[in-house]
Amino acid sequence: QVQLQESGPGLVKPSETLSLTCNVSGGSMNNYHWSWIRQPPGKGLEWLGCIYYSGTTNYNPSLKSRVTISVDTSKNQFSLKVTSVTAADTAVYYCARLRAAKGENWFDPWGQGTLVTVSS
Amino acid sequence: SYVLTQTPSVSVAPGKTARITCGGHNIGSKSVHWYQQKPGQAPVLVIYYDSVRPSGIPERVSGSNSGSTATLTISRVEAGDEADYYCQVWDSGSDHYVFGTGTKVTVL
Repeated sequence: QVQLQESGPGLVKPSETLSLTCNVSGGSMNNYHWSWIRQPPGKGLEWLGCIYYSGTTNYNPSLKSRVTISVDTSKNQFSLKVTSVTAADTAVYYCARLRAAKGENWFDPWGQGTLVTVSS
Repeated sequence: SYVLTQTPSVSVAPGKTARITCGGHNIGSKSVHWYQQKPGQAPVLVIYYDSVRPSGIPERVSGSNSGSTATLTISRVEAGDEADYYCQVWDSGSDHYVFGTGTKVTVL
């Protein structure tokens, strides 16, 4: 079955850009949608954005101007960039496949998550 | 933006039934999905389309949705059910995805 694995720096300096990659294995990325979700320490889940198989992106309005999601199906991976980070962006970042059917959408499966700390 | 509200914590004795609620405006008109997150682990889908169990989820886990409240019910609770549970909907009006505030289930 499809498995997802996040990778990227665990420490980012304030004002710099956070960059993460999600590697997809065990299945094709074609005709699926992909998403990023984060969870600050001790807090709940926050949807960051997604990229549909058409290439269209959709971002959480609270971060829209700072977030970019892209996909490279030839490498079976998709990526997240968050610019101008602050301590508030410290979180575990998860990638997930966005399932869509009958007009509804949910996340399954998820990657194991990677902790990104923003600190100088 | 659409808001989903969950009770912060629920305590239940082994063998009893845990009910976890998710409130939202007219949530009964949407499909609700539920995730279980054990400490230090990624969330796992346990219910989609209000009440459908993915493969591998036991029958004692069930879901319902009506009016302004969706409910995840775990019957015959076991120690392994201790986790945080999150509800999620897709807000079609904004094309955004919303998670509930989360409920911590403690098995006594």
